[in-house]
Amino acid sequence: DTEVTQTPKHLVMGMTNKKSLKCEQHMGHRAMYWYKQKAKKPPELMFVYSYEKLSINESVPSRFSPECPNSSLLNLHLHALQPEDSALYLCASSQRTGGGETQYFGPGTRLLVL
Amino acid sequence: AQSVTQLDSQVPVFEEAPVELRCNYSSSVSVYLFWYVQYPNQGLQLLLKYLSGSTLVKGINGFEAEFNKSQTSFHLRKPSVHISDTAEYFCAVSLPIKAAGNKLTFGGGTRVLVKP
Repeated sequence: DTEVTQTPKHLVMGMTNKKSLKCEQHMGHRAMYWYKQKAKKPPELMFVYSYEKLSINESVPSRFSPECPNSSLLNLHLHALQPEDSALYLCASSQRTGGGETQYFGPGTRLLVL
Repeated sequence: AQSVTQLDSQVPVFEEAPVELRCNYSSSVSVYLFWYVQYPNQGLQLLLKYLSGSTLVKGINGFEAEFNKSQTSFHLRKPSVHISDTAEYFCAVSLPIKAAGNKLTFGGGTRVLVKP
């Protein structure tokens, strides 16, 4: 089983709202990721958590705040977003096999900021 | 730093015809290679990966890819496509690090449109 789940599927928020995206995996993967994907573009890495600690932050604005409460859960807290933050937000987790790390993606949350 | 180039942004193909999607990478060290598919309004699904061993890799849904170290390529092929193969395809590389958590560098994507 290589399932990563994300909630909600769709989210509409105003620029003054606070909302959170949730990601869950029960595969025992020890690394989890947040990506942002704009239309017709590849995913862009935002954050990486390794063993529940933030290991990579790709210079993401502070209005995006990640949180890893435990090894199965990853949240992305959103506050004071801009319309240009509208995108598909993808979560992934990774497993080490054969010497390499393989990432498995969730279905994404489509975010619209008004 | 590594980079990935997908040479075709769009590939139209007729149903039951073969398709090849080209991927070239640049890196000063050995890399791991991946192909992902993204169907409309969905996340990315792993098609196949090359970590080591045989340079011909078979994946899901009848896809295969060949790693060519001298040409720094990892082209994806399918001998006969279906309408359901219409999707965006991403080639990606990562470095063989030992820690959990690894950056994927993606190519720009190739949109495959299968016509009846």
